[in-house]
Amino acid sequence: GAVVSQHPSWVICKSGTSVKIECRSLDFQATTMFWYRQFPKQSLMLMATSNEGSKATYEQGVEKDKFLINHASLTLSTLTVTSAHPEDSSFYICSAHPRGITGELFFGEGSRLTVL
Amino acid sequence: GNSVTQMEGPVTLSEEAFLTINCTYTATGYPSLFWYVQYPGEGLQLLLKATKADDKGSNKGFEATYRKETTSFHLEKGSVQVSDSAVYFCALSTGTASKLTFGTGTRLQVTL
Repeated sequence: GAVVSQHPSWVICKSGTSVKIECRSLDFQATTMFWYRQFPKQSLMLMATSNEGSKATYEQGVEKDKFLINHASLTLSTLTVTSAHPEDSSFYICSAHPRGITGELFFGEGSRLTVL
Repeated sequence: GNSVTQMEGPVTLSEEAFLTINCTYTATGYPSLFWYVQYPGEGLQLLLKATKADDKGSNKGFEATYRKETTSFHLEKGSVQVSDSAVYFCALSTGTASKLTFGTGTRLQVTL
């Protein structure tokens, strides 16, 4: 099946630094990508919807200046956590919606961020 | 708003045991319902889905029936295998099919 790859799979950074997480669709073009955040023992929370070539749409309560999303091509979306703080430590997951296929989503394996 | 509630894990079963993971939902309109599975080290994969009341989704021996009267979509399998050990997520979508609301996930551990 279709493959979505996230990188890095885990990252540790110091407080105040910025971290970029990449989400790539390896064998299909993705018109839309979604970014989720998951806290321990909680559900995946949708952060934003990323459309190729346009600005991301953020969910209520998600700081757009804190979580920068770029969807520069049909196979790559990036999430940058700016000026990271310990409370940003979480598991970040992306999913991609293939171009021309309705209702199907493919997920990355997730990226665990730990901010010291 | 939309929400999904699923039973807390972990669920530990012996191989060949019967599995039920409960999932109930609240939603505006008529949602589509999904079960996703996440194997260790991998991304979530669609396991099965149902798009209208009384539909039964099935795949790999797993089944779930869309019950509108009880707002439920319980996942079942008659005989689990060690390879079924994973985290299972119940989810729904209304309107845009790709925008999902997830439950908290239930970890299943199957032992020999």
